[in-house]
Amino acid sequence: GNSVTQMEGPVTLSEEAFLTINCTYTATGYPSLFWYVQYPGEGLQLLLKATKADDKGSNKGFEATYRKETTSFHLEKGSVQVSDSAVYFCALSEGGSEKLVFGKGTKLTVNP
Amino acid sequence: GAVVSQHPSRVICKSGTSVKIECRSLDFQATTMFWYRQFPKQSLMLMATSNEGSKATYEQGVEKDKFLINHASLTLSTLTVTSAHPEDSSFYICSAVGPMNTEAFFGQGTRLTVV
Repeated sequence: GNSVTQMEGPVTLSEEAFLTINCTYTATGYPSLFWYVQYPGEGLQLLLKATKADDKGSNKGFEATYRKETTSFHLEKGSVQVSDSAVYFCALSEGGSEKLVFGKGTKLTVNP
Repeated sequence: GAVVSQHPSRVICKSGTSVKIECRSLDFQATTMFWYRQFPKQSLMLMATSNEGSKATYEQGVEKDKFLINHASLTLSTLTVTSAHPEDSSFYICSAVGPMNTEAFFGQGTRLTVV
């Protein structure tokens, strides 16, 4: 079956540091890939997505590239801010459905 | 973006009682909603797909008689945990497919504790 594996947290960084959160997936077909973010006390929000190989999703300074050859969708940001502190979830969906398969989530804390 | 409201955010109930969780799409109509469950340090696991006006579709291993889902209108889906037990304690999250059918919007989640 489909699955998503993302790096275990928690991750603690200083402000302006470089962020990478690794995500790899297993899927039978050609999934769409997503990163969701959950700020404290709030619901999950879509951060970015990519629907086909070599697509790059980007939003709020975050980027992730759909790598079919390595089945990966790593999240990166060049300079994190305190306001980026949240839990980040990698996810996939197949067949145009909005039914999602999630990774376990990675908690990021950014210190001033 | 579209707003999905989930209520309550936290609930504590006694073992053997039932608890209802509501998921509302506030500014759009959602023909499809999803219910997820998250155990500590685990992924969000899809429990069921809720379709307005029809029976919910449950994922393998989810007891439909224990987790009752009602999607009676285009803006409301409810999940009722019946005869709750401590092992049902978890974080439950709903999502609703937005009006353009291209994105799912999530509620804030409900932390259920069964004592």
